[in-house]
Amino acid sequence: DAKTTQPPSMDCAEGRAANLPCNHSTISGNEYVYWYRQIHSQGPQYIIHGLKNNETNEMASLIITEDRKSSTLILPHATLRDTAVYYCIVRSSTGTASKLTFGTGTRLQVTL
Amino acid sequence: NAGVTQTPKFQVLKTGQSMTLQCAQDMNHEYMSWYRQDPGMGLRLIHYSVGAGITDQGEVPNGYNVSRSTTEDFPLRLLSAAPSQTSVYFCASSPTSGGATALVKNIQYFGAGTRLSVL
Repeated sequence: DAKTTQPPSMDCAEGRAANLPCNHSTISGNEYVYWYRQIHSQGPQYIIHGLKNNETNEMASLIITEDRKSSTLILPHATLRDTAVYYCIVRSSTGTASKLTFGTGTRLQVTL
Repeated sequence: NAGVTQTPKFQVLKTGQSMTLQCAQDMNHEYMSWYRQDPGMGLRLIHYSVGAGITDQGEVPNGYNVSRSTTEDFPLRLLSAAPSQTSVYFCASSPTSGGATALVKNIQYFGAGTRLSVL
């Protein structure tokens, strides 16, 4: 699996968009980008995933650059409840197991 | 639909004691796994199972045993607890049955965690 790099922390004002970057410059053609988050003391929660097209669901949007070397998770209107650690994970779409490798992620602090 | 249920939520052990952390899922997921999370660190994989009767080691398996006799349950056993095993333990599952692709398998559902202290 490709290595990912994320900033250790970010701040965002409530109601504003939170843009969380992730660098994955060694990503290969069959690898997808997945985002999870972990709210304090809870288990990680799946947010969204994508291959090369931009994706949107009820939680967030995922923008992947054309060369796929980086991506941005966008929370369009951040709330205090979005304060969490966000993990960017790159995983192959093939294989029989699904061992996720969690790094240290980005700690997002949403403030009033 | 309860999802992934972990018990107990909290546990304090003395060094050398043994115990079993329980994990159950009601989503008929074939893949289950155990992670530990230490303060300020990401999650590390302990053991995983791709189906009943099949288990394998993850990144940090020493001091832990697992078994998978049913699809629903995946208990984690601490054989002789040590202070280094003080951590938060998370169980996760994902669908791999019915020809589900890896794309789907990488979407994992986590339990609420078990907070273990070993004195």
